[in-house]
Amino acid sequence: DGGITQSPKYLFRKEGQNVTLSCEQNLNHDAMYWYRQDPGQGLRLIYYSQIVNDFQKGDIAEGYSVSREKKESFPLTVTSAQKNPTAFYLCASDRGQGAEKLFFGSGTQLSVL
Amino acid sequence: SQKIEQNSEALNIQEGKTATLTCNYTNYSPAYLQWYRQDPGRGPVFLLLIRENEKEKRKERLKVTFDTTLKQSLFHITASQPADSATYLCALDYSGAGSYQLTFGKGTKLSVIP
Repeated sequence: DGGITQSPKYLFRKEGQNVTLSCEQNLNHDAMYWYRQDPGQGLRLIYYSQIVNDFQKGDIAEGYSVSREKKESFPLTVTSAQKNPTAFYLCASDRGQGAEKLFFGSGTQLSVL
Repeated sequence: SQKIEQNSEALNIQEGKTATLTCNYTNYSPAYLQWYRQDPGRGPVFLLLIRENEKEKRKERLKVTFDTTLKQSLFHITASQPADSATYLCALDYSGAGSYQLTFGKGTKLSVIP
């Protein structure tokens, strides 16, 4: 079955540590996205990539980094510069320009120890 | 900046009734509006899209309306079932340029009581 796989489901970060969230898709989608979801707030865009080897900052990129070396993969690193990283992180993809719906992964819950 | 409001954080409804969820926006009309369903601990799942020039869309027990005068979209679930209990998100794309332009509402948590 085609879809988006996020791992791990739960992740814990220690003070000063960088952690990486994995996102893989087998939908042959050109565009991939990372969102952050906090209780009582709408989804907020962290980074997006419309093509391999290219990505752009979203609304809340500070303290995060990404790479897009392969079409299928879009990992997100939460760096130590992100002072409030506890949230539910969602990866999504679509076919790119003109797409009218997003396909989401099942999310990663990141918590700070 | 554009704002989007889902004006109920939670909605409780009895099984068999019609659930109606509201999404309001400010300023000019979006190119299209989407509705997603999200279950606890899971990612959202796309349900329906309605464009600026459309007044109504249906899919099985779901119906979405778009009123550009009221700047509002209504999402209806007829003959609601306990399995419909979830959080429903609306999202707007004002430019039609792509998903990176989407603005999401905070969601309405629907509980269907048997």
